[in-house]
Amino acid sequence: AQTVTQSQPEMSVQEAETVTLSCTYDTSESNYYLFWYKQPPSRQMILVIRQEAYKQQNATENRFSVNFQKAAKSFSLKISDSQLGDTAMYFCAFMKHRTGANNLFFGTGTRLTVIP
Amino acid sequence: DAGITQSPRYKITETGRQVTLMCHQTWSHSYMFWYRQDLGHGLRLIYYSAAADITDKGEVPDGYVVSRSKTENFPLTLESATRSQTSVYFCASSGGLESSYEQYFGPGTRLTVT
Repeated sequence: AQTVTQSQPEMSVQEAETVTLSCTYDTSESNYYLFWYKQPPSRQMILVIRQEAYKQQNATENRFSVNFQKAAKSFSLKISDSQLGDTAMYFCAFMKHRTGANNLFFGTGTRLTVIP
Repeated sequence: DAGITQSPRYKITETGRQVTLMCHQTWSHSYMFWYRQDLGHGLRLIYYSAAADITDKGEVPDGYVVSRSKTENFPLTLESATRSQTSVYFCASSGGLESSYEQYFGPGTRLTVT
């Protein structure tokens, strides 16, 4: 079974500063995908960034980047120049890479508050 | 409207009642999923479907029934609601490989069982 662990239930960061959210996972799969989802108060799940395990290069999307350490099974999210709109729950998620329906395994989430 | 929609957005029901949560997507995605979100658990998979008339259990299927007679619809039924089924329910769809396995989520349904 796949497990995803987010050890930081809550974090806060000053506006314009940088924050890193941690995520570790456990799997015996060699090829898989990793995701970070954002859930603002509206409850909508929004994909922030994704990483394919076979790619060594860390994914980047504007102010969001990841530090993917495959051997350590670690997948942290760095948010640079934090904005008030970044206040949300952040979920790390794992997906096996296989043909067919691929469901997501989620961590328990980190609640991030950006302080003005 | 294009995208994935869920109805109702909010529902209060009594223990023992049957409740159906609706999910509709306009992309003709093959794959559809139902998750529930609870504090301390993140999102957990209830059921999923690979195509019309093909469904399978996820991590927490007990007490739920699904059907998929049309590609675009994937209703979730609680046959006899219990308080432990109070949760927020999310439907998601995916085009599989053609969309790099990305899942698109609906806005969620908050269900309260009294």
